[in-house]
Amino acid sequence: QKEVEKDPGPLSVPEGAIVSLNCTYSNSAFQYFMWYRQYSRKGPELLMYTYSSGNKEDGRFTAQVDKSSKYISLFIRDSQPSDSATYLCAMRFDYKLSFGAGTTVTVRA
Amino acid sequence: EAGVTQSPTHLIKTRGQQATLRCSPISGHTSVYWYQQALGLGLQFLLWYDEGEERNRGNFPPRFSGRQFPNYSSELNVNALELEDSALYLCASSSGTDYQPQHFGDGTRLSIL
Repeated sequence: QKEVEKDPGPLSVPEGAIVSLNCTYSNSAFQYFMWYRQYSRKGPELLMYTYSSGNKEDGRFTAQVDKSSKYISLFIRDSQPSDSATYLCAMRFDYKLSFGAGTTVTVRA
Repeated sequence: EAGVTQSPTHLIKTRGQQATLRCSPISGHTSVYWYQQALGLGLQFLLWYDEGEERNRGNFPPRFSGRQFPNYSSELNVNALELEDSALYLCASSSGTDYQPQHFGDGTRLSIL
């Protein structure tokens, strides 16, 4: 079993829709949870960084962590064509980041 | 503030050759991490350098090696290149304080012919 699993993708949504992305994990030692966005031919860009269970908001983005269920989510409200990218969940224990496989999101104008 | 910079952008080599990839971290960051992003395999941790020392390495053979210089920049060397080494190699940096997030460069795409 992989340490980090993501919900199947890719996703295609109309502009203005809410995008919902999820990852589950098996290692309860993970302490920090991140979402990165990666555009084609670019490196991953840090979107959200959380530690505790609960919600964290930043503009149109909300990250949710449920440590008891070993489940994290990212919601993108009022999605825009510029949100079209691959989204990667990542989890950290000590120095090491473990990544999910990434979900490609396309927002249709 | 300048981000993590990597060079070259693209590197083409043949089997058996050696490749050297370079990374400059964000100013003030002392830790540098290397990852391999191969098609269908996601991001795999390669190496971690902090304060000039190799702190840990992922599950990769010894022909993947590197170093960190006194100015905290880093280089990744891959010897005896194989076709399956074709991938995007990403460098990330973070400050030395505990659990600060890693910030990535745009990577070097290594193509093995």
